[in-house]
Parts: sequence; C-alpha cells; structure tokens
Amino acid sequence: EAAVTQSPRNKVTVTGGNVTLSCRQTNSHNYMYWYRQDTGHGLRLIHYSYGAGNLQIGDVPDGYKATRTTQEDFFLLLELASPSQTSLYFCASSDVWGNTLYFGAGTRLSVL
Amino acid sequence: GDSVTQTEGLVTLTEGLPVMLNCTYQTIYSNPFLFWYVQHLNESPRLLLKSFTDNKRTEHQGFHATLHKSSSSFHLQKSSAQLSDSALYYCAMGTQVVGQLTFGRGTRLQVYA
Repeated sequence: EAAVTQSPRNKVTVTGGNVTLSCRQTNSHNYMYWYRQDTGHGLRLIHYSYGAGNLQIGDVPDGYKATRTTQEDFFLLLELASPSQTSLYFCASSDVWGNTLYFGAGTRLSVL
Repeated sequence: GDSVTQTEGLVTLTEGLPVMLNCTYQTIYSNPFLFWYVQHLNESPRLLLKSFTDNKRTEHQGFHATLHKSSSSFHLQKSSAQLSDSALYYCAMGTQVVGQLTFGRGTRLQVYA
C-alpha cells in the first residue's frame, strides 16, 4: 500500500497569514496532487506535478502556490490566507497517469 | 470542459436493499476512464473500482459498475446494502489529458438498520 504522509494534520491561521502544507510519498510515484474537499463541491484539484521541479495548474489554483522539491516532497503554499481557503486538503500520488490515486490523511485548515 | 455529474447528494437506504449511485460524464475525448472512490467518515478517499473498457463490468468488494460510453455513464451498484457501506462515494473521470482527474461532487450513502 502506497504511503502518503501529510503535515500538519490541523492548522489554524489568521487572514493574511502564511501557511505551508507538506506532503511526502515514499513509493517513488511520479505524480503528486493537491486537492481541497468542501461539502457540496467534492474534491477539486489545486495543483499537480509530474516529477521534481514540475508544476501544473489545476482547476482551482487562485491563491495557492505549489512546489515539488524532490520526487517525494510536494508543498502547498498559501501566502495570504483568506477565510475562503478554510477547507480539508488532501495530497495524493500515483505511479503513472490513469492508475490509482493514493491519498494522504488530510490537513484541516482553518483561516480565521 | 470535462465534467462528472452525480445527481444525488444523499441516498438513504435500509440494510439489505439494493444500491445504485448514478454517475454520468461529459468529455470531448473518446476514451475516458472512470473510477469510483469511497471515503468513510474521518478517513481519506480510497479506490473502490475502475474501468477503462466500454461495456465491461468491473467488480470489487460486492460493488460493480459498467462503463457505457453510449450513455456516458458509470453507475455504481450493489445487490444488498450493508451498514458498513455508509460512506461518501466519488465518481471520477480521467482522459488523455495527463494529470486532470475530474471528480463529481460526491454522493453520501447512509444505510440504516
């Protein structure tokens, strides 16, 4: 079973704050993804990556940056957090396109 | 653009009754592939089943679905609901556009005794 670890598990920040969400996968997967989950909207793709140094824009990228520093590590950055970014964030990985996504446990972010 | 529609936000059933969760999709690409992911309370989504082949039934853990390109559908079914099936179910679609997996809004299945 693929292992995807997210940190922190919970985060509270204030409007305008700076937040970094971390994700590490230890299965040498090429693809990594950041999703946000909101009731009524389901899972929405923020950013994704094919490999170290690669970044692709998803469906809801506004207000988010991402960086893939290594094959294992993918970060999501909120430089000026807003209350609309309060959500449950999932990182996921897959080995090749079209194969199973393995999700991390999620990070619950609250922006006050 | 691509889209996945799950018409029911909530489905409530009595244990033992059949389950059917609807999923339809829209895409300009001719060879989409479809997934069902399941998310139990306080857990992360995990794959339930997937299909790349038109008109071929795929099964896993008592659930089954058939990709029908003629009707752009991939409905999830189970013959007899169990209490443990209570969860949030997501239908998702991929195409030849690498990296873009489109999820529906999810259907919450609540099974009662």
